[in-house]
Amino acid sequence: DGGITQSPKYLFRKEGQNVTLSCEQNLNHDAMYWYRQDPGQGLRLIYYSQIVNDFQKGDIAEGYSVSREKKESFPLTVTSAQKNPTAFYLCASTVGQTGNTEAFFGQGTRLTVV
Amino acid sequence: GQSLEQPSEVTAVEGAIVQINCTYQTSGFYGLSWYQQHDGGAPTFLSYNALDGLEETGRFSSFLSRSDSYGYLLLQELQMKDSASYFCAVEGGYNKLIFGAGTRLAVHP
Repeated sequence: DGGITQSPKYLFRKEGQNVTLSCEQNLNHDAMYWYRQDPGQGLRLIYYSQIVNDFQKGDIAEGYSVSREKKESFPLTVTSAQKNPTAFYLCASTVGQTGNTEAFFGQGTRLTVV
Repeated sequence: GQSLEQPSEVTAVEGAIVQINCTYQTSGFYGLSWYQQHDGGAPTFLSYNALDGLEETGRFSSFLSRSDSYGYLLLQELQMKDSASYFCAVEGGYNKLIFGAGTRLAVHP
């Protein structure tokens, strides 16, 4: 079955630590996205990538970093510079063609700072 | 800048019709889409409009007016399972996909 897999489902981080959230897709999609969702809020774009080895900052990129070395993978690192990282993180992908933006989402990673 | 505005909450009864509006202001626009998210779950795609007019998919319909930077999602024959959050999203340039803050729909018996 094709889809997007995020891991882990729950993640606990100590203050000052970097953590990496995994996102893998087998849909052969070119574009991938990372969103942050706070309780009762919308999805805010952190980073997105249109193609391998290329990515752009979204609206709230500070304190985060990404890489796109493979088409299937788009890991997100939450660095110690992110002062309030506790949130629900969602990864998504699309075909990457303008006018065809049905986004498929992973089940999310819930990150908590302890 | 880019912004999408939608009501924060809507309440309706089973069997009724509800409309969720979305106005947007973005640099670059290719289409407006709608997603449903149940509590604790992932958003799922409902519909997409690239051109003006109404798109119908079962009980759900979506409308777009590009000249007014406005769209809406129409839900008919509401069911309890439709209680969820609904997000509009704009496809801008370079595949950038921006979401609104979401509308929480509560369906009551």
